[in-house]
Amino acid sequence: EVQMVESGGGLVQPGGSLRLSCAASGFTFSSYWMHWVRQAPGKGLMWVSRINSVGSRISYADSVKGRFTISRDNAKNTLYLQMNSLRAEDTAVYYCARESDGYNWDFDYWGQGTLVTVSS
Amino acid sequence: QTVVTQEPSFSVSPGGTVTLTCALSSGSVSTSYYPSWYQQTPGQAPRTLIYSTNTRSSGVPDRFSGSILGNKAALTITGAQADDESDYYCVLYMGSGIWVFGGGTKLTVL
Repeated sequence: EVQMVESGGGLVQPGGSLRLSCAASGFTFSSYWMHWVRQAPGKGLMWVSRINSVGSRISYADSVKGRFTISRDNAKNTLYLQMNSLRAEDTAVYYCARESDGYNWDFDYWGQGTLVTVSS
Repeated sequence: QTVVTQEPSFSVSPGGTVTLTCALSSGSVSTSYYPSWYQQTPGQAPRTLIYSTNTRSSGVPDRFSGSILGNKAALTITGAQADDESDYYCVLYMGSGIWVFGGGTKLTVL
C-alpha cells in the first residue's frame, strides 16, 4: 500500500526556518517524481515545488522561489522541504504528493499533510 | 501571472447532474494542459478523480467524467450522491515543471 507521511510542521516565527519531511513506503520511491502542495487555512490548494526522481530537475512556484528548497534522499525514501525566511502567508497544511508515471502530469497519491504556522 | 478559475460554489440535487469548469485567465484550456481533478472533504487529503483530461483514477465511480467543454476543462457528476458533497479542485500543467491549481468549487448536494 502506498503511504506518505509528512512531519516537521509546527509553529515558527516570521523570518524563521523549518524543514518538512515526507516518509514514503509501499512503492519504489526512487522511481517517482515528487511534489509539495500546500493549503492555507480555509483556502484552496497551491502547488509549491517538484523534484525529479534523482533530484536533478527541480521547479518552484514563484511565491516560494529563493526561500524554499526541495530535496530527496532515495536511500531513506524521504522527501524534504527546507523552508527559510518564512512569512505569515506561508501558514498552511503542507502535503507531499506523488506524480503519477506515464507523463500524465497529475498527482496520484497524497500524504495527510503537516501544519506549518508562521506567527509571532 | 496565470490564474485558473473555478466556480466558487455549486449546488445539485441528489440524482442530478452538475458540470464544474476550470478556465484559464488567458487562453483556452486544452488537453495539452493535462487537466486533472481532485476531491477533498474537510480535514482530509485530496483524492484524485480524473487525470489527463478524462481518465478516471482507479476506484473512481463512473458517474464522474472529465472533458473539454468549449475553452474550459470540465468535471461532470451524473447522478450526484450525498457523499459527493465536497470541494473540487482542478489543476493544469503549464509546462516547464509548473502546475497551477484552480481556486476550487464547493459542491453542495441538497
